[in-house]
Amino acid sequence: EAGVAQSPRYKIIEKRQSVAFWCNPISGHATLYWYQQILGQGPKLLIQFQNNGVVDDSQLPKDRFSAERLKGVDSTLKIQPAKLEDSAVYLCASSGQGVLVYEQFFGPGTRLTVL
Amino acid sequence: DAKTTQPPSMDCAEGRAANLPCNHSTISGNEYVYWYRQIHSQGPQYIIHGLKNNETNEMASLIITEDRKSSTLILPHATLRDTAVYYCIVRVYNTDKLIFGTGTRLQVFP
Repeated sequence: EAGVAQSPRYKIIEKRQSVAFWCNPISGHATLYWYQQILGQGPKLLIQFQNNGVVDDSQLPKDRFSAERLKGVDSTLKIQPAKLEDSAVYLCASSGQGVLVYEQFFGPGTRLTVL
Repeated sequence: DAKTTQPPSMDCAEGRAANLPCNHSTISGNEYVYWYRQIHSQGPQYIIHGLKNNETNEMASLIITEDRKSSTLILPHATLRDTAVYYCIVRVYNTDKLIFGTGTRLQVFP
């Protein structure tokens, strides 16, 4: 079974530029999550989708971050404009099938560096 | 905020048991203890979870104290590939919210 796919793996941009990350969850998983992980900290949930609807975006900085999951499958997370403090790893996870229906399976992440 | 307290780092010799402690003194009756780990440059990976009985799977064992205020994750024969950050998380069963703390960085040495 294929895992959660993310691209790109690495991205370097200058502050005030825009950037987008892509995630393809495990096939059949209805729930998709985006996390931000700053160096030395645990992941922090940014947004959660159930199919193509938003369940929780309370921690998403909506003035600069946006996310969509138009067809209930893959998803994109965008930052516009980026700030220095957005340097982090952005993790995508999905859940929704089998015995461990609530367990989240994580992708490898995208490491963003903002200069 | 995370409801658990873990030591920031631990060392373990290869082949020996790694015992990772976690305090969760404010755990509620319907909350489970979950463990995830994160190997360098990878996303977190589920290891095991439990309510009040000890649990074992192919990866690890989970020992929860009788008062449920603390637990220990045991890797019975640590290998170099077990070097990772281990997160102890308290979570209501059959809910999908994960609140990560800073975890314990386990270093397994030869």
